[in-house]
Amino acid sequence: DAQLVESGGNLVEPGKSLRLSCVASGINFDGYGMHWVRQAPGKGLEWVASVSWDSASKSYVDSVRGRFTISRDNAKDRLYLQMNSLKSEDTAVYFCTKGGSASFGTYGLDLWGQGTAVTVSS
Amino acid sequence: SFELSQPSSVSVSLGETVHITCSGDPAAIRYACWYQQRPGQSPVLIIFQSNKRPSGIPDRFYASSSGNTATLTISGTQSADEADYFCQAWDSRTAYAFGPGTKVTVL
Repeated sequence: DAQLVESGGNLVEPGKSLRLSCVASGINFDGYGMHWVRQAPGKGLEWVASVSWDSASKSYVDSVRGRFTISRDNAKDRLYLQMNSLKSEDTAVYFCTKGGSASFGTYGLDLWGQGTAVTVSS
Repeated sequence: SFELSQPSSVSVSLGETVHITCSGDPAAIRYACWYQQRPGQSPVLIIFQSNKRPSGIPDRFYASSSGNTATLTISGTQSADEADYFCQAWDSRTAYAFGPGTKVTVL
């Protein structure tokens, strides 16, 4: 079965860094764009970042641009999110998601992991 | 960037039909997607490209878009349909955006 499993979430102090990882199985990982979406406690979904199948295109929500970096390793079927200069407002569950196309577009996010929790607090 | 708006909550009687709207930039809304998130679970894609259903999604869920509004319709609503529903759109400048979500309560 197709599956995405995130890891790396933790409690971290403001200003510190954290790296999230997502491993894919049961899918042709290098054929699809991949994305991170977050959900703050009791809140809605917020798109965070996207990377195309070949890493040629990357996109970020304004609130994380310059602090977060999305990357992927197709040889390892892994997606990453490097989060620097973390703020309290970054506290959320972070979901790894698979896009429905090789890049970005209108095919939606058709496979979601279970999420990994990031808490930014002193 | 663009923003999407949804009603915060709607209620529907068991077996009846409910409509959930999502408003925003017409060019982005034209190909809106919809997600269902049950309590404590990850979201699930139920509609993409305005009106297409992924495999396994029952045809009780259907959607359309017109002008600046996309609409998700659930017919024959079941208790299992009680969940949060999020619309999502994409444009080439902003990438992705989600609506604030609509909580559906089945009476």
